[in-house]
Amino acid sequence: IAGITQAPTSQILAAGRRMTLRCTQDMRHNAMYWYRQDLGLGLRLIHYSNTAGTTGKGEVPDGYSVSRANTDDFPLTLASAVPSQTSVYFCASSDSGQGADTQYFGPGTRLTVL
Amino acid sequence: GQNIDQPTEMTATEGAIVQINCTYQTSGFNGLFWYQQHAGEAPTFLSYNVLDGLEEKGRFSSFLSRSKGYSYLLLKELQMKDSASYLCAVREGHYQLIWGAGTKLIIKP
Repeated sequence: IAGITQAPTSQILAAGRRMTLRCTQDMRHNAMYWYRQDLGLGLRLIHYSNTAGTTGKGEVPDGYSVSRANTDDFPLTLASAVPSQTSVYFCASSDSGQGADTQYFGPGTRLTVL
Repeated sequence: GQNIDQPTEMTATEGAIVQINCTYQTSGFNGLFWYQQHAGEAPTFLSYNVLDGLEEKGRFSSFLSRSKGYSYLLLKELQMKDSASYLCAVREGHYQLIWGAGTKLIIKP
């Protein structure tokens, strides 16, 4: 069982380019999340999905979009990247409604926008 | 507003005990989590508290006081591999977590 996988591991991107970060989980969790992590700041929620077919905005959604066509996949798209989107991006999933509803994280994507 | 405070950095000695504090002010409370994050890696789940009191799990324990908006993570018999950042997070509503900036713990021999 892989858990959660993310791709790519790292990427350097020119400003203005479009980029999709991929996230796949094999735990059949209904909820999925995208966070960014910047030095000195806590994890900040970008978008989330409580179940396949639904998405919601988090704390810092501007410049990002997501889709949730099925249970396993939750891609994050930067339509036109800007340098302030340089960050480490983590995807997470949880089995919401079950006990603690613990979130489990993927290995992350380190993105640099020049 | 929402606020979660943790010390930025702490230093402790191998074999000793360290307590990492977390205070929170949130509009709701539906559980508090502690995660460990080694440099360059993903956060991994350590503990969950929803009721007041102490939860013990091996060398790690976590305490919660909801009336004081306070939690701590206690690490005993420190090992070098415990050098990491420790993240406190509060679930306000049903799904979303509010995260502290994390405490970087440095273990010295």
